[in-house]
Amino acid sequence: QQQVKQSPQSLIVQKGGISIINCAYENTAFDYFPWYQQFPGKGPALLIAIRPDVSEKKEGRFTISFNKSAKQFSLHIMDSQPGDSATYFCAATIYGQNFVFGPGTRLSVLP
Amino acid sequence: EPEVTQTPSHQVTQMGQEVILRCVPISNHLYFYWYRQILGQKVEFLVSFYNNEISEKSEIFDDQFSVERPDGSNFTLKIRSTKLEDSAMYFCASSVTSGGGGTQYFGPGTRLTVL
Repeated sequence: QQQVKQSPQSLIVQKGGISIINCAYENTAFDYFPWYQQFPGKGPALLIAIRPDVSEKKEGRFTISFNKSAKQFSLHIMDSQPGDSATYFCAATIYGQNFVFGPGTRLSVLP
Repeated sequence: EPEVTQTPSHQVTQMGQEVILRCVPISNHLYFYWYRQILGQKVEFLVSFYNNEISEKSEIFDDQFSVERPDGSNFTLKIRSTKLEDSAMYFCASSVTSGGGGTQYFGPGTRLTVL
């Protein structure tokens, strides 16, 4: 019940396209859902996050869509750029403790 | 911009040896965390630390692991007797708060290689 599932495992998108990564969870006690971006050799960096009382959050080209009833949330990257090529992790936490990470999605944006 | 720092960036050790991984969290942060990431796999929570004690730990964090905040700035992870399967990237993170989605800031990691 502590798992967060993430798909796809890898994603290839053309420059300018939309990248969509999906996550699903079981534990309804999760109250915070961040997305992290990780470049090779670096630590994860917070990209954007959402709480379950909001259905959508947008920051620049990045949007989280949240479906509380389905226990699913997704990251949309609009106008994807080669510099967005990285591994993306969704995560979930209860009261900011013990973040549970998804297995990651390796995004490649082709020039 | 303040950041979490970790040393060393790469540690190579023999199986059975003790290692200490060091972290300097962001100065006004109160909550500290260790995670590990085995090559190509997901990030796994190890332990969280607040007010000089462990607040939560995962099943990975067994008796071989310990954490300490020896002074006002450092936060350390000790692995008492390393195993081959401890080879991974170890990330330290810190946050101002834990509640309401306290944003965790990650350090660059220490790559631990156990031979």
